[in-house]
Amino acid sequence: DSGVTQTPKHLITATGQRVTLRCSPRSGDLSVYWYQQSLDQGLQFLIQYYNGEERAKGNILERFSAQQFPDLHSELNLSSLELGDSALYFCASSVAAGYNEQFFGPGTRLTVL
Amino acid sequence: QQQVKQSPQSLIVQKGGISIINCAYENTAFDYFPWYQQFPGKGPALLIAIRPDVSEKKEGRFTISFNKSAKQFSLHIMDSQPGDSATYFCAAKGEGAGGTSYGKLTFGQGTILTVHP
Repeated sequence: DSGVTQTPKHLITATGQRVTLRCSPRSGDLSVYWYQQSLDQGLQFLIQYYNGEERAKGNILERFSAQQFPDLHSELNLSSLELGDSALYFCASSVAAGYNEQFFGPGTRLTVL
Repeated sequence: QQQVKQSPQSLIVQKGGISIINCAYENTAFDYFPWYQQFPGKGPALLIAIRPDVSEKKEGRFTISFNKSAKQFSLHIMDSQPGDSATYFCAAKGEGAGGTSYGKLTFGQGTILTVHP
Protein backbone atom coordinates (compact mmCIF):
# COMPACT_ATOMS: atom_id res chain seq x y z
CA ASP A 1 0.00 0.00 0.00
CA SER A 2 1.57 3.26 -1.21
CA GLY A 3 -0.52 5.51 1.05
CA VAL A 4 -2.10 7.25 -1.96
CA THR A 5 -5.85 6.76 -2.13
CA GLN A 6 -8.11 7.15 -5.14
CA THR A 7 -11.87 7.05 -5.50
CA PRO A 8 -13.87 5.64 -7.07
CA LYS A 9 -12.19 2.38 -8.01
CA HIS A 10 -14.43 1.88 -11.02
CA LEU A 11 -16.57 4.31 -12.99
CA ILE A 12 -18.90 3.48 -15.86
CA THR A 13 -20.54 6.31 -17.72
CA ALA A 14 -21.86 7.31 -21.13
CA THR A 15 -20.39 9.42 -23.88
CA GLY A 16 -20.88 13.14 -23.39
CA GLN A 17 -20.99 12.90 -19.62
CA ARG A 18 -18.71 14.49 -17.03
CA VAL A 19 -16.95 12.68 -14.17
CA THR A 20 -14.69 13.62 -11.27
CA LEU A 21 -11.87 11.43 -10.01
CA ARG A 22 -10.47 12.05 -6.55
CA CYS A 23 -7.02 11.53 -5.11
CA SER A 24 -5.57 11.91 -1.63
CA PRO A 25 -1.76 12.00 -1.53
CA ARG A 26 0.43 10.29 1.04
CA SER A 27 0.58 12.08 4.36
CA GLY A 28 3.14 14.87 4.09
CA ASP A 29 3.36 14.86 0.28
CA LEU A 30 2.75 18.24 -1.33
CA SER A 31 2.89 17.31 -5.00
CA VAL A 32 0.27 15.36 -6.93
CA TYR A 33 0.54 13.94 -10.44
CA TRP A 34 -2.11 12.49 -12.74
CA TYR A 35 -1.34 9.80 -15.31
CA GLN A 36 -3.50 8.00 -17.85
CA GLN A 37 -2.84 4.35 -18.71
CA SER A 38 -4.32 2.86 -21.88
CA LEU A 39 -3.40 -0.15 -23.99
CA ASP A 40 -2.35 1.88 -27.01
CA GLN A 41 -0.69 4.89 -25.30
CA GLY A 42 0.79 3.26 -22.22
CA LEU A 43 1.34 5.42 -19.13
CA GLN A 44 1.07 9.09 -20.05
CA PHE A 45 1.63 12.09 -17.78
CA LEU A 46 -1.31 14.47 -17.67
CA ILE A 47 -0.65 17.18 -15.09
CA GLN A 48 1.20 18.01 -11.87
CA TYR A 49 0.21 20.17 -8.92
CA TYR A 50 2.36 21.35 -6.07
CA ASN A 51 0.83 22.83 -2.95
CA GLY A 52 -2.26 23.94 -4.83
CA GLU A 53 -0.56 25.32 -7.92
CA GLU A 54 -0.19 23.79 -11.36
CA ARG A 55 3.50 22.96 -12.00
CA ALA A 56 3.63 20.97 -15.21
CA LYS A 57 1.31 19.91 -17.96
CA GLY A 58 1.51 16.95 -20.31
CA ASN A 59 -0.72 15.99 -23.21
CA ILE A 60 -3.87 16.73 -21.27
CA LEU A 61 -6.95 17.33 -23.37
CA GLU A 62 -8.80 20.64 -23.07
CA ARG A 63 -11.85 18.63 -21.95
CA PHE A 64 -9.86 17.56 -18.89
CA SER A 65 -9.03 19.77 -15.95
CA ALA A 66 -7.63 19.28 -12.48
CA GLN A 67 -7.09 21.13 -9.24
CA GLN A 68 -5.45 20.63 -5.88
CA PHE A 69 -7.28 21.83 -2.82
CA PRO A 70 -5.91 23.42 0.40
CA ASP A 71 -6.06 20.03 2.16
CA LEU A 72 -3.83 18.78 -0.73
CA HIS A 73 -6.30 16.33 -2.19
CA SER A 74 -6.72 16.60 -5.93
CA GLU A 75 -9.54 16.11 -8.39
CA LEU A 76 -9.37 15.32 -12.08
CA ASN A 77 -12.42 16.41 -14.04
CA LEU A 78 -13.18 14.78 -17.37
CA SER A 79 -15.97 16.27 -19.47
CA SER A 80 -17.66 15.58 -22.81
CA LEU A 81 -16.43 12.03 -22.46
CA GLU A 82 -15.61 9.99 -25.54
CA LEU A 83 -15.15 6.24 -25.98
CA GLY A 84 -11.40 6.81 -26.27
CA ASP A 85 -11.24 8.25 -22.77
CA SER A 86 -11.77 4.78 -21.35
CA ALA A 87 -8.58 4.06 -19.43
CA LEU A 88 -7.01 3.68 -16.03
CA TYR A 89 -6.30 6.98 -14.34
CA PHE A 90 -3.57 7.03 -11.72
CA CYS A 91 -2.67 9.61 -9.19
CA ALA A 92 0.84 9.74 -7.76
CA SER A 93 2.35 11.90 -5.05
CA SER A 94 5.78 13.02 -3.96
CA VAL A 95 7.19 15.00 -1.08
CA ALA A 96 7.97 18.07 -3.15
CA ALA A 97 7.64 19.33 -6.70
CA GLY A 98 11.01 18.15 -7.98
CA TYR A 99 11.41 15.23 -5.60
CA ASN A 100 12.23 12.11 -7.55
CA GLU A 101 10.24 9.37 -5.86
CA GLN A 102 6.61 9.23 -6.96
CA PHE A 103 4.20 6.84 -5.29
CA PHE A 104 1.16 5.70 -7.22
CA GLY A 105 -2.36 5.08 -6.04
CA PRO A 106 -4.47 2.05 -7.02
CA GLY A 107 -6.12 3.91 -9.90
CA THR A 108 -9.62 4.55 -11.16
CA ARG A 109 -10.82 2.46 -14.07
CA LEU A 110 -13.04 4.60 -16.30
CA THR A 111 -15.28 2.93 -18.86
CA VAL A 112 -17.14 5.15 -21.30
CA LEU A 113 -20.01 3.39 -23.10
CA GLN B 1 13.37 13.35 -27.62
CA GLN B 2 11.06 12.67 -24.72
CA GLN B 3 10.62 9.00 -25.54
CA VAL B 4 11.84 6.06 -23.54
CA LYS B 5 12.02 2.85 -25.55
CA GLN B 6 11.66 -0.44 -23.67
CA SER B 7 12.28 -3.99 -24.78
CA PRO B 8 11.24 -6.75 -24.93
CA GLN B 9 7.45 -6.37 -24.87
CA SER B 10 7.15 -9.74 -23.17
CA LEU B 11 9.55 -12.12 -21.49
CA ILE B 12 9.19 -15.69 -20.29
CA VAL B 13 11.75 -17.01 -17.82
CA GLN B 14 12.07 -20.20 -15.83
CA LYS B 15 12.12 -20.05 -12.04
CA GLY B 16 15.64 -19.33 -10.86
CA GLY B 17 16.65 -17.69 -14.12
CA ILE B 18 17.73 -14.12 -14.84
CA SER B 19 15.25 -11.67 -16.30
CA ILE B 20 16.70 -8.73 -18.25
CA ILE B 21 14.70 -5.75 -19.47
CA ASN B 22 16.28 -2.94 -21.44
CA CYS B 23 15.48 0.74 -21.93
CA ALA B 24 16.95 3.48 -24.06
CA TYR B 25 16.42 7.22 -24.00
CA GLU B 26 17.34 10.25 -26.08
CA ASN B 27 16.91 13.22 -23.79
CA THR B 28 20.20 13.96 -22.04
CA ALA B 29 18.35 16.18 -19.54
CA PHE B 30 16.93 13.07 -17.87
CA ASP B 31 18.58 12.64 -14.46
CA TYR B 32 16.53 10.04 -12.63
CA PHE B 33 15.65 6.57 -13.89
CA PRO B 34 13.18 4.47 -11.87
CA TRP B 35 11.71 1.06 -12.52
CA TYR B 36 8.14 0.31 -11.56
CA GLN B 37 6.42 -3.04 -11.06
CA GLN B 38 2.71 -3.36 -11.74
CA PHE B 39 0.45 -6.28 -10.90
CA PRO B 40 -2.95 -6.65 -12.57
CA GLY B 41 -5.51 -4.33 -11.02
CA LYS B 42 -2.89 -2.40 -9.04
CA GLY B 43 -1.00 0.83 -9.46
CA PRO B 44 2.67 0.91 -10.44
CA ALA B 45 4.96 0.36 -7.45
CA LEU B 46 8.44 1.87 -7.29
CA LEU B 47 10.95 -0.97 -7.40
CA ILE B 48 14.40 0.57 -7.73
CA ALA B 49 15.88 3.75 -9.19
CA ILE B 50 19.23 5.13 -10.29
CA ARG B 51 20.84 8.47 -11.06
CA PRO B 52 23.27 8.85 -13.99
CA ASP B 53 26.32 9.41 -11.77
CA VAL B 54 26.17 5.73 -10.78
CA SER B 55 26.70 2.81 -13.18
CA GLU B 56 24.98 0.14 -11.12
CA LYS B 57 22.60 -0.13 -8.20
CA LYS B 58 21.56 -3.34 -6.48
CA GLU B 59 18.69 -3.96 -4.10
CA GLY B 60 18.20 -7.59 -3.20
CA ARG B 61 17.57 -9.57 -6.38
CA PHE B 62 17.06 -6.43 -8.45
CA THR B 63 19.90 -4.59 -10.17
CA ILE B 64 19.90 -1.55 -12.45
CA SER B 65 22.80 -1.20 -14.87
CA PHE B 66 23.26 2.26 -16.36
CA ASN B 67 25.32 3.24 -19.41
CA LYS B 68 25.33 7.01 -19.69
CA SER B 69 27.32 7.20 -22.94
CA ALA B 70 24.97 4.77 -24.67
CA LYS B 71 21.90 6.33 -23.03
CA GLN B 72 20.70 2.92 -21.97
CA PHE B 73 19.73 1.29 -18.72
CA SER B 74 18.50 -2.15 -17.81
CA LEU B 75 16.83 -4.08 -15.02
CA HIS B 76 18.19 -7.46 -14.03
CA ILE B 77 16.12 -9.75 -11.83
CA MET B 78 18.25 -12.52 -10.40
CA ASP B 79 16.80 -15.85 -9.26
CA SER B 80 13.45 -14.93 -10.83
CA GLN B 81 10.40 -16.24 -8.95
CA PRO B 82 6.79 -16.84 -10.05
CA GLY B 83 5.81 -13.99 -7.72
CA ASP B 84 7.88 -11.65 -9.91
CA SER B 85 5.40 -12.19 -12.77
CA ALA B 86 4.12 -8.69 -13.47
CA THR B 87 4.48 -5.80 -15.91
CA TYR B 88 7.66 -3.78 -15.52
CA PHE B 89 8.02 -0.19 -16.63
CA CYS B 90 11.16 1.84 -16.95
CA ALA B 91 10.83 5.59 -16.68
CA ALA B 92 12.88 8.74 -16.79
CA LYS B 93 12.54 12.18 -15.27
CA GLY B 94 14.31 15.45 -15.80
CA GLU B 95 13.95 19.06 -16.81
CA GLY B 96 12.73 19.47 -20.35
CA ALA B 97 12.88 22.38 -22.75
CA GLY B 98 11.44 25.52 -21.22
CA GLY B 99 11.20 23.86 -17.82
CA THR B 100 7.80 22.42 -18.61
CA SER B 101 8.61 18.80 -17.78
CA TYR B 102 9.37 19.41 -14.13
CA GLY B 103 8.39 16.34 -12.13
CA LYS B 104 7.01 14.46 -15.12
CA LEU B 105 7.85 10.77 -15.49
CA THR B 106 8.21 9.52 -19.06
CA PHE B 107 7.48 5.79 -19.18
CA GLY B 108 8.54 3.00 -21.46
CA GLN B 109 5.83 0.82 -22.99
CA GLY B 110 6.21 -1.93 -20.42
CA THR B 111 7.41 -5.54 -20.37
CA ILE B 112 5.14 -8.38 -19.34
CA LEU B 113 7.28 -10.82 -17.37
CA THR B 114 6.11 -14.38 -16.82
CA VAL B 115 8.16 -16.64 -14.58
CA HIS B 116 7.31 -20.31 -14.94
CA PRO B 117 7.64 -22.54 -11.88
